[in-house]
Amino acid sequence: DSGVTQTPKHLITATGQRVTLRCSPRSGDLSVYWYQQSLDQGLQFLIQYYNGEERAKGNILERFSAQQFPDLHSELNLSSLELGDSALYFCASSLAGLTDTQYFGPGTRLTVL
Amino acid sequence: AQSVTQPDIHITVSEGASLELRCNYSYGATPYLFWYVQSPGQGLQLLLKYFSGDTLVQGIKGFEAEFKRSQSSFNLRKPSVHWSDAAEYFCAVGAEQTGANNLFFGTGTRLTVIP
Repeated sequence: DSGVTQTPKHLITATGQRVTLRCSPRSGDLSVYWYQQSLDQGLQFLIQYYNGEERAKGNILERFSAQQFPDLHSELNLSSLELGDSALYFCASSLAGLTDTQYFGPGTRLTVL
Repeated sequence: AQSVTQPDIHITVSEGASLELRCNYSYGATPYLFWYVQSPGQGLQLLLKYFSGDTLVQGIKGFEAEFKRSQSSFNLRKPSVHWSDAAEYFCAVGAEQTGANNLFFGTGTRLTVIP
């Protein structure tokens, strides 16, 4: 158990819909990272937040957005969903920066029908 | 730009045999290098990491990796594989830029262990 929790575990929705994925970091961690894992794209970094502020952006689509709240939990919002958005979405947390170990949650499996 | 190549998509080894998983990276400066393992249905777990210093790094579960700057490689090794090591292994390079840091992952190597 990494200490990072993600909800829901599974999500099935239709094209065009909007969903919200939630992540609670390990106690004491200030950084939250979101990753997408799919068969064709592999594991890709989406976005990082540090203590409520956006710190880094990767291959995140404009239809996707995230935020980190004062209690440090984070939400990833996916809108206008397409079939290709079906993937495993991981959240990871770390104390602060790159040299700190990133602890991954179990992931949310999103299926878009 | 940073990139990571794991040339072996799938490797099969016998239990008790030695293992080496290859990783090559591309990065302009001294990279931060990581190996993660993902068991079926699980998130990723850090095996080991290299930032600087001794180029031979020891990790958890009996794994080690060696950083070779001249070859731009960071291969993962284990002297004797156990059936529980069957999983997917990811090499990653970290890019620390001004105010930003993130990981670039390779495509992964799936390890099958046969009795």
